[in-house]
Amino acid sequence: AQSVAQPEDQVNVAEGNPLTVKCTYSVSGNPYLFWYVQYPNRGLQFLLKYITGDNLVKGSYGFEAEFNKSQTSFHLKKPSALVSDSALYFCAVSPQRSGTYKYIFGTGTRLKVLA
Amino acid sequence: EAQVTQNPRYLITVTGKKLTVTCSQNMNHEYMSWYRQDPGLGLRQIYYSMNVEVTDKGDVPEGYKVSRKEKRNFPLILESPSPNQTSLYFCASSLSGQGHSGANVLTFGAGSRLTVL
Repeated sequence: AQSVAQPEDQVNVAEGNPLTVKCTYSVSGNPYLFWYVQYPNRGLQFLLKYITGDNLVKGSYGFEAEFNKSQTSFHLKKPSALVSDSALYFCAVSPQRSGTYKYIFGTGTRLKVLA
Repeated sequence: EAQVTQNPRYLITVTGKKLTVTCSQNMNHEYMSWYRQDPGLGLRQIYYSMNVEVTDKGDVPEGYKVSRKEKRNFPLILESPSPNQTSLYFCASSLSGQGHSGANVLTFGAGSRLTVL
């Protein structure tokens, strides 16, 4: 079965430190990969996506993600965390087949940046 | 402003009382979808629509209905709500087309928190 795993329910990091939010996937073929962020009482907002090409993808608000095909991972990173980065982060995949609109989301990781 | 609008944002209802959650987008998107968000389960797709009059089931369609009579609207209907449908619901849309359609970014509504007593 196709799935997305976010192994950490919560990640705590001190402001100014680098952060990593982990995501691994089990999807056949070469999926499209996404990160979305959810702030309290808001819908999900797009951060970045990987389609093909460079394994390091840069996105909004200084976030980047590293695609690793051999480890089927797509970890979200930021060199220096801000308190305002505290939110719920979702990894998602979509199979790379035209006309397939199946998005599979992970369970989410709550990021807490401490001042 | 480009957006997906859901209503109501909050609703408390009782078992068996039919309700509709509306969703509207102003971006001329072809694809629209409904998700429910539950603690520890992430987002799960309920139904999706690739265009007007074209809808299909997602992972958890039981107890829900949808319709897509106009491009901009995609209402979610609970004919006979039950307590296990208490959840946070999100509508989302994206531009569709040929080729790498699965790479389209989803735009989400603000969510509708439903409680069924």
